[in-house]
Amino acid sequence: EADIYQTPRYLVIGTGKKITLECSQTMGHDKMYWYQQDPGMELHLIHYSYGVNSTEKGDLSSESTVSRIRTEHFPLTLESARPSHTSQYLCASSSRQGKNTEAFFGQGTRLTVV
Amino acid sequence: GQSLEQPSEVTAVEGAIVQINCTYQTSGFYGLSWYQQHDGGAPTFLSYNALDGLEETGRFSSFLSRSDSYGYLLLQELQMKDSASYFCASNSGNTPLVFGKGTRLSVIA
Repeated sequence: EADIYQTPRYLVIGTGKKITLECSQTMGHDKMYWYQQDPGMELHLIHYSYGVNSTEKGDLSSESTVSRIRTEHFPLTLESARPSHTSQYLCASSSRQGKNTEAFFGQGTRLTVV
Repeated sequence: GQSLEQPSEVTAVEGAIVQINCTYQTSGFYGLSWYQQHDGGAPTFLSYNALDGLEETGRFSSFLSRSDSYGYLLLQELQMKDSASYFCASNSGNTPLVFGKGTRLSVIA
């Protein structure tokens, strides 16, 4: 079973609020990712990290930011939530060793901005 | 850049065999992965191909042809619980894992 955790699982928040979605993994993985996914739709990469103090933006334009101060922790912050941010946010991690790309996903945070 | 193409929907009968194709354009390609995602759930890893050929894991098999930039996922003895979305994904060097748009498989009785 994957040891990657996301909190909260569900969040309803008002427009303009600042929120942080938490993601932690206990597998010692170097690579961590944030994806945004609407129900039944594709996974959009919004941020990724290859290790501590390494963060990059993904393909999807996002008004969020991330940080990677510790290997196990990769939080995502929305400075000012908008209804267009309503979606599911999935965190994932994978090992940098070798070329196997098995990624482990958290259970996701379903965000609703009202 | 990287891009992966797969059919959006596939329907198959319980007990049958279904193949989900994936073509990719990836510079510095390492390998192709497959993930399964049930409605409301998170993607889970199914298989990975780095070399040409067939990898078999129980009822699921995955195939890769690097020369054709093509792979497929083969599901045998389909069960109703196999109804889900299936994503192919690729990575290359230090680029992040990129997913195709997903194929929604519906298994009917």
